[in-house]
Amino acid sequence: DTAVSQTPKYLVTQMGNDKSIKCEQNLGHDTMYWYKQDSKKFLKIMFSYNNKELIINETVPNRFSPKSPDKAHLNLHINSLELGDSAVYFCASSLKGGVNTEAFFGQGTRLTVV
Amino acid sequence: GDSVTQMEGPVTLSEEAFLTINCTYTATGYPSLFWYVQYPGEGLQLLLKATKADDKGSNKGFEATYRKETTSFHLEKGSVQVSDSAVYFCALTGGFKTIFGAGTRLFVKA
Repeated sequence: DTAVSQTPKYLVTQMGNDKSIKCEQNLGHDTMYWYKQDSKKFLKIMFSYNNKELIINETVPNRFSPKSPDKAHLNLHINSLELGDSAVYFCASSLKGGVNTEAFFGQGTRLTVV
Repeated sequence: GDSVTQMEGPVTLSEEAFLTINCTYTATGYPSLFWYVQYPGEGLQLLLKATKADDKGSNKGFEATYRKETTSFHLEKGSVQVSDSAVYFCALTGGFKTIFGAGTRLFVKA
């Protein structure tokens, strides 16, 4: 069983479109995250949710809207896609959003905006 | 704010060579420290961790020691293999997020 699964794995779309990426974890964790990895492999946190509540929004444009229907799911919807949104997006979860807890990552979604 | 700095890559080594990847951090409080590894086309996996000063994390021949006095968590391996080729990330947890270094790409030649 995959611990953190995200779909789709690849997403190619045109500028201006709206798209969603889904994430589910079966680890029973309280905290879920979205990270963006750019072409130089730099990882930056976008959002952090704890028990369905938004905890961190790291100055992400309003076009990005996360939604957590329950604590096992954290989806990411992106409106009006731009070329600069092309990246790999990783979903992750951790037992509790504090110290001593490692994050478990999904396989990533490679988004290409053309 | 909290941050992690790790040596830039890429690092290219021959098989069986000794590996060191430097990592230093700045943080308020007492964070836990981690090394993650990312193989091509995959997500990040935890490699090892240390939760307090002087703790040594180890896994698959890799080691790192939490040094509070030098705010460092350098990754070492005595004899690398071709299969160790990957990107390595040093990280710390602070509140509700994990902060990553920029990543160091390692190439190991046969």
